[in-house]
Amino acid sequence: GDSVTQMEGPVTLSEEAFLTINCTYTATGYPSLFWYVQYPGEGLQLLLKATKADDKGSNKGFEATYRKETTSFHLEKGSVQVSDSAVYFCALSDPQGAQKLVFGQGTRLTINP
Amino acid sequence: EAQVTQNPRYLITVTGKKLTVTCSQNMNHEYMSWYRQDPGLGLRQIYYSMNVEVTDKGDVPEGYKVSRKEKRNFPLILESPSPNQTSLYFCASRAGDRIHEQYFGPGTRLTVT
Repeated sequence: GDSVTQMEGPVTLSEEAFLTINCTYTATGYPSLFWYVQYPGEGLQLLLKATKADDKGSNKGFEATYRKETTSFHLEKGSVQVSDSAVYFCALSDPQGAQKLVFGQGTRLTINP
Repeated sequence: EAQVTQNPRYLITVTGKKLTVTCSQNMNHEYMSWYRQDPGLGLRQIYYSMNVEVTDKGDVPEGYKVSRKEKRNFPLILESPSPNQTSLYFCASRAGDRIHEQYFGPGTRLTVT
């Protein structure tokens, strides 16, 4: 079945550091890919998405590019802030099935001032 | 304001005592679903509903029931809770054709002793 694998956390960085959170997937067909963010005590919010190969999703300084050849969707940000501290989930949805999102295990990110 | 609400937000109960977690959305969405979030496992889908009176199992349906008598509500029922159902639960909704615009509730933290 479809699956998503994220880099192990937790990840701790200093403010203004460069961030990469790796995400790879296994899927039949051509899924859409997502990054969700969960701030402490809150539900998940969609951060960015990409629906086809080579698409780049971006939002709030975060970017991720849909790489079909490497089945990856790595999340990057050039200069992180303390307010970026959260749990980040990579996810996919199969446009054929389209009944659910398949999530990675989540990566907890802590940014120190 | 478009939102998904869940109640209660926190619940501690004992094994075998039936409980219901409510979920309501004000966006007239056709599709609703329940997920549970466990450390190291990400979010896994429990049940989903494509519309009123249409429900189906997700990946981890054992020990849960749902109903969809009205479009806005999608309660999650635990007939006889057990400690392995201790988890963080999220309800989500989207318009039927808007796979990329899924809204999540704030979560319900359930502890079964």
